[in-house]
Amino acid sequence: ILNVEQSPQSLHVQEGDSTNFTCSFPSSNFYALHWYRWETAKSPEALFVMTLNGDEKKKGRISATLNTKEGYSYLYIKGSQPEDSATYLCAFMVYGGSQGNLIFGKGTKLSVKP
Amino acid sequence: GAGVSQSPSNKVTEKGKDVELRCDPISGHTALYWYRQSLGQGLEFLIYFQGNSAPDKSGLPSDRFSAERTGGSVSTLTIQRTQQEDSAVYLCASSVDRKSYEQYFGPGTRLTVT
Repeated sequence: ILNVEQSPQSLHVQEGDSTNFTCSFPSSNFYALHWYRWETAKSPEALFVMTLNGDEKKKGRISATLNTKEGYSYLYIKGSQPEDSATYLCAFMVYGGSQGNLIFGKGTKLSVKP
Repeated sequence: GAGVSQSPSNKVTEKGKDVELRCDPISGHTALYWYRQSLGQGLEFLIYFQGNSAPDKSGLPSDRFSAERTGGSVSTLTIQRTQQEDSAVYLCASSVDRKSYEQYFGPGTRLTVT
């Protein structure tokens, strides 16, 4: 059974704090690793898709790294703002028979206090 | 352009009743996925459609669940004889094709079975 683990489960930070989350995934049959941002009652919003070992991607104050050999990815938020409050989902895309299906972690719920 | 849309946004139903959830994917996307998130769980894959190929039903939790995709576009997920454990947020996503990395999600249908 393919399993994606995210930590921490939830996080409360003050505005201006920098923070990071971890996603662990199987290191075999890797195709891609996705990060999504999901606010309640809205569509999950794609942040990053990473495919190559060593990938680093950045979008504004948010960045992510990927290590496919050891099976982990980090998401960093610099200078958190209240509008960053959301659940951050990591999803693993397997190569092969189930290619295309995303296997999600349970998410990290971030709350940023003004 | 228009994103993925889903209807209804909320559905409350009595145990034992049948429900239908609808998904309108992005025009031109040949791949369509259904996922659900039950309370305290991560998003789990349910079913996948790719063009005119037979759907991948490997994620459907029981034979009370079925889905169809008419004309390669709109999809309907049907749950027969609903049970309380079916209460969840049901998300639909579409992508250009199965090999495409990006999946675009709808806002979901929150199903509550009383």
